[in-house]
Amino acid sequence: QQPVQSPQAVILREGEDAVINCSSSKALYSVHWYRQKHGEAPVFLMILLKGGEQKGHEKISASFNEKKQQSSLYLTASQLSYSGTYFCGTDLNSGGYQKVTFGTGTKLQVIP
Amino acid sequence: DTGVSQNPRHKITKRGQNVTFRCDPISEHNRLYWYRQTLGQGPEFLTYFQNEAQLEKSRLLSDRFSAERPKGSFSTLEIQRTEQGDSAMYLCASSLTGFENTEAFFGQGTRLTVV
Repeated sequence: QQPVQSPQAVILREGEDAVINCSSSKALYSVHWYRQKHGEAPVFLMILLKGGEQKGHEKISASFNEKKQQSSLYLTASQLSYSGTYFCGTDLNSGGYQKVTFGTGTKLQVIP
Repeated sequence: DTGVSQNPRHKITKRGQNVTFRCDPISEHNRLYWYRQTLGQGPEFLTYFQNEAQLEKSRLLSDRFSAERPKGSFSTLEIQRTEQGDSAMYLCASSLTGFENTEAFFGQGTRLTVV
């Protein structure tokens, strides 16, 4: 079952913060976050594992609430380079990346 | 090794024709995945291989679709008797096994247009 992302789209001014949410109806083992710019391949941001800690990557961090089957991606002090479509992917199985099901994406546009 | 490579990048075909796409994964990666992505949607899982074994196929993968990974290296995805609904970006990705926190690296995709 495809995870649900919200919001579907967001426009930010440089320096503003954003939160992208991802929820699943199934118990998850891992959540994967990717960013895709127009015409390019999805690029890995981070993975969160069941029982793991909140992750951080420069000014982008994420959390995973296993009980609620939800993950959130936090972008702080946004930069123009953050523009793109963000996808969360969920995997029900342990053992590394396997059958990851992606959400419909959140389109983020950062403007000067 | 510069990443996952897919060929061709673009393919235009007439309805009813067969097409084949190729994916060369990162050389040490033993898992390989195929996804389909349509405009405004996330990548949809089609199938994946561990070495040469095809471990799972999505219900999206009809009988017209077949994927192979001979010798556990490159992979091919063939679509027979193409239909207009097959028009999409076909993405390939690869990853390592043995680590819980491994990510998949995606290629730039093959954009298929069926006319």
